[in-house]
Amino acid sequence: RKEVEQDPGPFNVPEGATVAFNCTYSNSASQSFFWYRQDCRKEPKLLMSVYSSGNEDGRFTAQLNRASQYISLLIRDSKLSDSATYLCVLMGDSWGKLQFGAGTQVVVTP
Amino acid sequence: SAVISQKPSRDICQRGTSLTIQCQVDSQVTMMFWYRQQPGQSLTLIATANQGSEATYESGFVIDKFPISRPNLTFSTLTVSNMSPEDSSIYLCSVEWPDRLSYNEQFFGPGTRLTVL
Repeated sequence: RKEVEQDPGPFNVPEGATVAFNCTYSNSASQSFFWYRQDCRKEPKLLMSVYSSGNEDGRFTAQLNRASQYISLLIRDSKLSDSATYLCVLMGDSWGKLQFGAGTQVVVTP
Repeated sequence: SAVISQKPSRDICQRGTSLTIQCQVDSQVTMMFWYRQQPGQSLTLIATANQGSEATYESGFVIDKFPISRPNLTFSTLTVSNMSPEDSSIYLCSVEWPDRLSYNEQFFGPGTRLTVL
């Protein structure tokens, strides 16, 4: 089993719609969780950290479920510029060592 | 967040040669990391570059193949030695931003796209 698993997609989303997807992880000792976005041929950019109580940043909402070992990302009112690959990232029990999921591709269409 | 630059941004190299990639940060940072992203795949950590001590390598990566320098708190280099086509990849450095220690957020350089013929 992979340590971080994501549905690769693509999720084809009409502009203005809502899309949500999950990421599951196997290491229950994982300490920190993040969502990064990566555009084609670009470096990953931090979208948001995921707090234990869940958190919202504009149109983006992240949730953490430690009992079931998954995190989720919800994008409301999708924009064309939201088209990207969203990487689920966590830090396990080794300080500073990030583990990356393979990414979920989102394609927002007009 | 930190401003991170990498040189070169891309290169095409012959097999058997070596390439040194530079990573420069505009602020002093304790921890710097080197990742590899092979075509169509996600990122894999190569090593952690710590100032004043030897780099810590992940399983599958060795110092002879990927020597790393960290002469100060704003700069690091990664050398890809004796290259083969399997080394064709994007190499990225990242830093852990000191103001965000509680969440261990990392920020990435723009990457170096390496093609080995």
